[in-house]
Amino acid sequence: GNSVTQMEGPVTLSEEAFLTINCTYTATGYPSLFWYVQYPGEGLQLLLKATKADDKGSNKGFEATYRKETTSFHLEKGSVQVSDSAVYFCALERSSSNYQLIWGAGTKLIIKP
Amino acid sequence: GAVVSQHPSRVICKSGTSVKIECRSLDFQATTMFWYRQFPKQSLMLMATSNEGSKATYEQGVEKDKFLINHASLTLSTLTVTSAHPEDSSFYICSASGGLFNEQFFGPGTRLTVL
Repeated sequence: GNSVTQMEGPVTLSEEAFLTINCTYTATGYPSLFWYVQYPGEGLQLLLKATKADDKGSNKGFEATYRKETTSFHLEKGSVQVSDSAVYFCALERSSSNYQLIWGAGTKLIIKP
Repeated sequence: GAVVSQHPSRVICKSGTSVKIECRSLDFQATTMFWYRQFPKQSLMLMATSNEGSKATYEQGVEKDKFLINHASLTLSTLTVTSAHPEDSSFYICSASGGLFNEQFFGPGTRLTVL
C-alpha cells in the first residue's frame, strides 16, 4: 500500500544552517508529492508540491525534488531562520480524483538564534 | 489560496454529551471535505472523506455511528462526536478541495476536551 516515512524529530539547528528533512514513500504509480507546514498555533499550509518525477517544488527558500529512482522527496533549505520553526509534514496523494492524502508522521524543526 | 474555517476552535464538554464541529469553505465550493484527527506529536489520521450530497466514506477503524459527518452543501460540512468520552479528546482538523483548486485547504482545527 501507499505510505510515507519521514525522519524523526525534533531537528534542532542554528540560524543560517543548511536544512534537510528526509522523506521517502512507497506507492503504486506516480502520485503527486507534497510538503505541508504547521506553524505553532496555526493550521496546516501547503509549502510546496511536485506532480511528476524530476519535478522540483519550491517556495519561501525551501526546495524538494521528486526522485522516482530513490522514491524520495527530501525537503531542503540553504539557510534557515528562526521563523522556520514549525512541524513539517510530507504527504502523497492517494487519489487524484478527490485529492486524498497519505501523511508522514511530521518532523518538528527548531531553529535557535 | 482558499480559506477554510472551523468552529468552534476549542470545546470542552462532559462525558456522554455530543459535540458538533463545523467546517466551512469561505470563498470556494468544496465538493470534497476531509476530516482528520491529530494526536499530540503525531501525524494526521484521516477519519473520513465526504462528497457534497452523498454519504461520507469512513476509514477503517473509524466508527461511523460515533463520528457523524454531514456535507449538505458545497460550503459546509459538520462532524458530530456523539456520546463523547475522554478518549475522544483530540485535535480535529477539516480540509476542503474543489472548484478551481486541485489541492486541499485546511481549517485551523478544533481542540476537543472531554471531561
